[in-house]
Amino acid sequence: DSGVTQTPKHLITATGQRVTLRCSPRSGDLSVYWYQQSLDQGLQFLIQYYNGEERAKGNILERFSAQQFPDLHSELNLSSLELGDSALYFCASSVGSMNTEAFFGQGTRLTVV
Amino acid sequence: AQSVTQLGSHVSVSEGALVLLRCNYSSSVPPYLFWYVQYPNQGLQLLLKYTSAATLVKGINGFEAEFKKSETSFHLTKPSAHMSDAAEYFCAVELPGSARQLTFGSGTQLTVLP
Repeated sequence: DSGVTQTPKHLITATGQRVTLRCSPRSGDLSVYWYQQSLDQGLQFLIQYYNGEERAKGNILERFSAQQFPDLHSELNLSSLELGDSALYFCASSVGSMNTEAFFGQGTRLTVV
Repeated sequence: AQSVTQLGSHVSVSEGALVLLRCNYSSSVPPYLFWYVQYPNQGLQLLLKYTSAATLVKGINGFEAEFKKSETSFHLTKPSAHMSDAAEYFCAVELPGSARQLTFGSGTQLTVLP
């Protein structure tokens, strides 16, 4: 158990819908990272938050957004869902903002039908 | 730009045999390098990391990797495979001083045969 909690574990939704994925980082970790794992794109970095502020942005679509709340949990919002958004979404957390080990959650498997 | 290439999307070895999973990177500056393991329906677990200290890095579960700058490689090895090693393995690279924007390879699925 990495200490990073993601909910829900599985999510099935229809195209055009909006979903929210939640991540609770390890106790004491200030950074949260979101990654997408899909069959065609592999593992891709989406976005990072550090202590409530966006720190880095990767290959994140405009339909996707994230935030980190004062209690340090984070949410990834996916809207206008398409079939191609079906993937495993991972959250990771680390103590610092860079070059410190990141611990991954077990992921949320999103299926868009 | 940095990228990671993992040679062989599937590798099969017999139990007790040597495990060798290949990873090559391309980066404009010497990067930090990582190997992660993903068991079925699990998240990613860090096996080991290279951050410009010793070139031979020892990780968990008997795995180790050697950073070879001349070959731009960071291959993962284990002398004797165990059935429990069956999983998917990812090599990743990160530029020093950057936020943790790991760039992952496409992964290698390791099968261990009895």
